[in-house]
Amino acid sequence: EVQLVESGGGLVQPGRSLRLSCTASGFTFGDYAMSWFRQAPGKGLEWVGFIKGKTHGGTTDYAASVKGRFTISRDDSRSIAFLQMNSLKTEDTAVYYCTRGVTIFWNWGQGTLVTVSS
Amino acid sequence: DIQMTQSPSSLSASVGDRVTITCQASQDIRSYLNWYQRKPGKAPKLLIYDASNLETGVPSRFSGSGSGTDFTFTISSLQPEDIATYYCQQYDNLLGTFGQGTKLEIK
Repeated sequence: EVQLVESGGGLVQPGRSLRLSCTASGFTFGDYAMSWFRQAPGKGLEWVGFIKGKTHGGTTDYAASVKGRFTISRDDSRSIAFLQMNSLKTEDTAVYYCTRGVTIFWNWGQGTLVTVSS
Repeated sequence: DIQMTQSPSSLSASVGDRVTITCQASQDIRSYLNWYQRKPGKAPKLLIYDASNLETGVPSRFSGSGSGTDFTFTISSLQPEDIATYYCQQYDNLLGTFGQGTKLEIK
C-alpha cells in the first residue's frame, strides 16, 4: 500500500524558514516524480512545485508565488521528498500536501499545517 | 493559464440517486482531466484519470467522460460513503489546475 506522510509543519514567524518532509513507502520512490500542493484557509488547492525522478534529470519547477523562496529536493535512499521554505510570508499559511506524480497525482499525504504569523 | 470551471459547487442527493458533476476547461485540454474525491480530514484520492479511466480499486459506480473542454463525472447510484468534495484537475500543461470543488451531501 502506498503511503505518504508529511511532517515538519508548525508555527513560524514571517521571514523565517521551515523544511517539510514527505516520507514515502509502498512503491519504488526513485522511479516517480513528487509534487507539493498547498491549501490556504478557505481557498482551493494550489500547486507548489515538483521534482522529477533522477531518470528524468531530477528537474524541478515551481509556482510563480514561491519561485526563488522554496526548493524541492529528494533523498531516494531514504524515500523522502523535502520542501525547503525560506523567507516565509503570512500568505504561505496553508496545509501542505505531498503527492506522487507530476500530471496525474496518484497518491496524497494527509498534509501538514504551516502557519506563518508573528 | 487554463481555468477550470466546476459545477455545481454543492449538491444534495438521496442514496441511490444518479449524481453528475461537470467541469469545463477554458481551452482544449484533450483528455488530460482527472477527478479526485476528498473526505473531511482525509487525503485526496484519485478516482478517474485521463477523463475516463477508473483508478484501480475504485468502485465501478464512479465514471468519467468527455474530451476537449467539457467533462462529466458521474456516480451511478449514490452511497452514504460517497459524501465528500469532488475535484477535477487538468494537466494539459504541467501547471495542473484544479476546479473549485463540488461538495456532495446526502439529502
